[in-house]
Amino acid sequence: EDQVTQSPEALRLQEGESSSLNCSYTVSGLRGLFWYRQDPGKGPEFLFTLYSAGEEKEKERLKATLTKKESFLHITAPKPEDSATYLCAVQAARGHSGAGSYQLTFGKGTKLSVIP
Amino acid sequence: GAGVSQSPSNKVTEKGKDVELRCDPISGHTALYWYRQSLGQGLEFLIYFQGNSAPDKSGLPSDRFSAERTGGSVSTLTIQRTQQEDSAVYLCASSLLGGGSSPLHFGNGTRLTVT
Repeated sequence: EDQVTQSPEALRLQEGESSSLNCSYTVSGLRGLFWYRQDPGKGPEFLFTLYSAGEEKEKERLKATLTKKESFLHITAPKPEDSATYLCAVQAARGHSGAGSYQLTFGKGTKLSVIP
Repeated sequence: GAGVSQSPSNKVTEKGKDVELRCDPISGHTALYWYRQSLGQGLEFLIYFQGNSAPDKSGLPSDRFSAERTGGSVSTLTIQRTQQEDSAVYLCASSLLGGGSSPLHFGNGTRLTVT
């Protein structure tokens, strides 16, 4: 069974204090790993897709990296507007019990608070 | 452009009543998904529609749940005889391509509370 574990559950940072969020996963053949941002009362907003170990993607103050077992979301000099819950999800090359590979398995998220 | 639209945004219902949740996907998106987000839990896959293919209903938690997609566009998720454990945020998403080939774009969800 595919599993995604995110840590920490919550993280408080001072504005400008860089840090990283972790996403550990087990999947039977990774097709893609996704990062989403979710603001309170909103649906998740797509950030990145990573496909293979060693791949990195950047967007403003965020950089996502991928290894064979985990992904990191690095936040450089965060601002209060970066406060949100960050979700990680994996897509298997072939789901268990023949389930479609389009199904995403999500972690529970990391709630990030950036204090001015 | 317009994103995924869900209605209602909030729904309070009594245990045992039926509810219908609506999703309008992004125009031109061929795939449509329903997920459920319960407090303290990760998003849980419910159902997947792709074009005219038979939907993948493998994530529906019980036979009280059903969904349809009309004309390859609007989708309705129906929960019959609601139970308190059905309380959650129901999220709809669409993607340009099916098969998980393109990112999911989510709506803001319907928060369902069963009293």
